[in-house]
Amino acid sequence: GENVEQHPSTLSVQEGDSAVIKCTYSDSASNYFPWYKQELGKGPQLIIDIRSNVGEKKDQRIAVTLNKTAKHFSLHITETQPEDSAVYFCAARSGTYKYIFGTGTRLKVLA
Amino acid sequence: SAVISQKPSRDICQRGTSLTIQCQVDSQVTMMFWYRQQPGQSLTLIATANQGSEATYESGFVIDKFPISRPNLTFSTLTVSNMSPEDSSIYLCSATETGVEKLFFGSGTQLSVL
Repeated sequence: GENVEQHPSTLSVQEGDSAVIKCTYSDSASNYFPWYKQELGKGPQLIIDIRSNVGEKKDQRIAVTLNKTAKHFSLHITETQPEDSAVYFCAARSGTYKYIFGTGTRLKVLA
Repeated sequence: SAVISQKPSRDICQRGTSLTIQCQVDSQVTMMFWYRQQPGQSLTLIATANQGSEATYESGFVIDKFPISRPNLTFSTLTVSNMSPEDSSIYLCSATETGVEKLFFGSGTQLSVL
């Protein structure tokens, strides 16, 4: 079945450094790739997304890249801050509503 | 973006009882979903809540255990029936807003079953 692999499962970076989280999907029909940030005790918050016809998208300190040929996409966070500490989930969507989520990355930004 | 309110935010329940979780969205939405997030795990789709008809369940989830209602476009309930400790999870309501394909989540219901 469809699968999304996410790496690493945990990531610690020094404040100000960059963080990169990578996901690989299996369903070649996937056409939309959102990223979510989940803080403790809260629901997942959509932080950035990318469609399959775009290779890269940036929003301030956050960027997402997509390589359709290799079927992988990545989240890049620059100039990390302590408030970036959270669990991040990638997802791949096939069709109109079928989302497959990655297993999550716990990011810790050390002050 | 759509604001999704869920209640209760958390509950501690006894084995064998049932809990109904409510979800209210502040804008017109096309689709509503219920997800389960087991401790330290990813998100698993339970079902799609269909307005005025039976929900569409994913493999491994059945209506008798997780009855769902959606009486109108912006409100849905999920009941966790005959609970056991294995049902301890975060239950998340989500929706796609009309005209916007993005998927938004509520704040979740943290359920602990003793």
